[in-house]
Amino acid sequence: SQQGEEDPQALSIQEGENATMNCSYKTSINNLQWYRQNSGRGLVHLILIRSNEREKHSGRLRVTLDTSKKSSSLLITASRAADTASYFCAPPKTQAGTALIFGKGTTLSVSS
Amino acid sequence: EPEVTQTPSHQVTQMGQEVILRCVPISNHLYFYWYRQILGQKVEFLVSFYNNEISEKSEIFDDQFSVERPDGSNFTLKIRSTKLEDSAMYFCASSPPGVSYEQYFGPGTRLTVT
Repeated sequence: SQQGEEDPQALSIQEGENATMNCSYKTSINNLQWYRQNSGRGLVHLILIRSNEREKHSGRLRVTLDTSKKSSSLLITASRAADTASYFCAPPKTQAGTALIFGKGTTLSVSS
Repeated sequence: EPEVTQTPSHQVTQMGQEVILRCVPISNHLYFYWYRQILGQKVEFLVSFYNNEISEKSEIFDDQFSVERPDGSNFTLKIRSTKLEDSAMYFCASSPPGVSYEQYFGPGTRLTVT
């Protein structure tokens, strides 16, 4: 069954540094999304990358997708304390469906 | 900016009672979802809803759960007879029309079953 798993589970960096989070998934996808969750709050959509795209940018975010390796990465450049949150990749539950599968996420802590 | 809203923010109920969690999706969105997150665990998909019917559901979404869009704005999740293990944060999400899979989540309802 589909599963998105992030690595590392936790990441601590200083403000201004870059943060890279990785994601692996199991089955074929049409797209993959990344979300952020601040403690106890709702999920915020960050970026969607389609299966025919290898890289996508949005502000300080860069997402890559390697469908041959079934993996994706999220890079946050020049991190800020406000980036402290949990980050999740979310592949679809089925290739044709829209329901998302979330992993345990990467907990990012940015200290000033 | 339009956003998904959910009420109540926190619901406490006794085991065996029925609860209804309410969501108002973004107004022009056509796809609606419920997810839940048990404290300290992953966000889990429950059900998706499109064109007034369930389009996908997970194994969690058994007969004690139901969803409804009673009018043009609300989307509800009913749990008929709550169990202790239903205690979780329940998130509603919606997606716009067209070929877009981006989901916009509400702030969640924390359900505590005692």
